[in-house]
Amino acid sequence: KAGVTQTPRYLIKTRGQQVTLSCSPISGHRSVSWYQQTPGQGLQFLFEYFSETQRNKGNFPGRFSGRQFSNSRSEMNVSTLELGDSALYLCASRVGLALGLGSYEQYFGPGTRLTVT
Amino acid sequence: QKEVEQNSGPLSVPEGAIASLNCTYSDRVSQSFFWYRQYSGKSPELIMSIYSNGDKEDGRFTAQLNKASQYVSLLIRDSQPSDSATYLCAAGGYQKVTFGTGTKLQVIP
Repeated sequence: KAGVTQTPRYLIKTRGQQVTLSCSPISGHRSVSWYQQTPGQGLQFLFEYFSETQRNKGNFPGRFSGRQFSNSRSEMNVSTLELGDSALYLCASRVGLALGLGSYEQYFGPGTRLTVT
Repeated sequence: QKEVEQNSGPLSVPEGAIASLNCTYSDRVSQSFFWYRQYSGKSPELIMSIYSNGDKEDGRFTAQLNKASQYVSLLIRDSQPSDSATYLCAAGGYQKVTFGTGTKLQVIP
């Protein structure tokens, strides 16, 4: 079974631009979460989608948004990029909601490394 | 208070020793617990899942869960330099997964 895939793997953008990152979950997984990771900051939760609906949201400004499609693929968008948005953006998928204890097992994609100059 | 707490380390152990990584969680709703290993510049990799009190062993790794004390640990026996990484503890419950900030492990040859 193929793992979580993320595109692009690397991205360089200029301050003020916007960016869209894509994530394809493991087949059969219906929940997709997004995280931001910067050096020394740990994983910062952005949001989680299930069945095309945002189920949970972290403490990030409205410049960060996401969506999920009917095939469970997800995209996240960051508008008006700031230098501080430079980070590794990770997508993780899991089976879904209320499907037993194992449904909380998350599997991560390789990440998209975003550099804002 | 953070929901999942870990000592950031670094935890240094000599090669061949047992590395003990600890994690506490505050939300008693949490039902599922996980350990992830993250090498520098890479994404986290799930290495252990534990759902009930007691020990769960997988090769050189043993996860321990004590729900009464809200405590999870990971033991790595016969530590190898290749085990040097950041280990993330995570707790799942009430439809969300919460991660700790991770403990950096250094295995000294």
